[in-house]
Amino acid sequence: NAGVMQNPRHLVRRRGQEARLRCSPMKGHSHVYWYRQLPEEGLKFMVYLQKENIIDESGMPKERFSAEFPKEGPSILRIQQVVRGDSAAYFCASSLSGTGILQPQHFGDGTRLSIL
Amino acid sequence: AQKITQTQPGMFVQEKEAVTLDCTYDTSDPSYGLFWYKQPSSGEMIFLIYQGSYDQQNATEGRYSLNFQKARKSANLVISASQLGDSAMYFCASKALQGAQKLVFGQGTRLTINP
Repeated sequence: NAGVMQNPRHLVRRRGQEARLRCSPMKGHSHVYWYRQLPEEGLKFMVYLQKENIIDESGMPKERFSAEFPKEGPSILRIQQVVRGDSAAYFCASSLSGTGILQPQHFGDGTRLSIL
Repeated sequence: AQKITQTQPGMFVQEKEAVTLDCTYDTSDPSYGLFWYKQPSSGEMIFLIYQGSYDQQNATEGRYSLNFQKARKSANLVISASQLGDSAMYFCASKALQGAQKLVFGQGTRLTINP
């Protein structure tokens, strides 16, 4: 499967724990994006990364949330000290190129995060 | 800043009929793209079709076509010969060609195909 791979598909955490969401982009893609979807809503942009660089984090909450895309391995979205309001579906997308060339972003199946 | 408006929360269509899902946009970017995604009940996001603001012809992909009217700032999705498997949420999104690369999504339209 050469698509965007996200894991886990479902994640349950208790309030105060940490959540780590992983994303491997499509083969050959070096641009990764994270989005959050609340129930019955559209996706909201969180962060855009290239290898080892955060390009745009304008949608990331100021506290508890961080993202990385290391030279080797998947991109990680990390949520510390989770609260009930963090319950959502988190989607990762990747694209072949960034600015200047119009190409679609391809999405993974998402991680459904539930906070008890 | 960009904004996407999808005014149809839900639509019901008979199988084999054509259906048009509305999308209007507002953007200050000189060049941009419009995208449509399908989200079935299983939850994944499936890319369907896209169109650049500079493209002269409307995009088509199989049974999907994008009715792009730049003067009206609309980018409606047309699905021909609808099938039961087309039942899903459909999201319209926009993205600037330069600068910020984030997709801005509308609220979605829930399409139900009746047999």
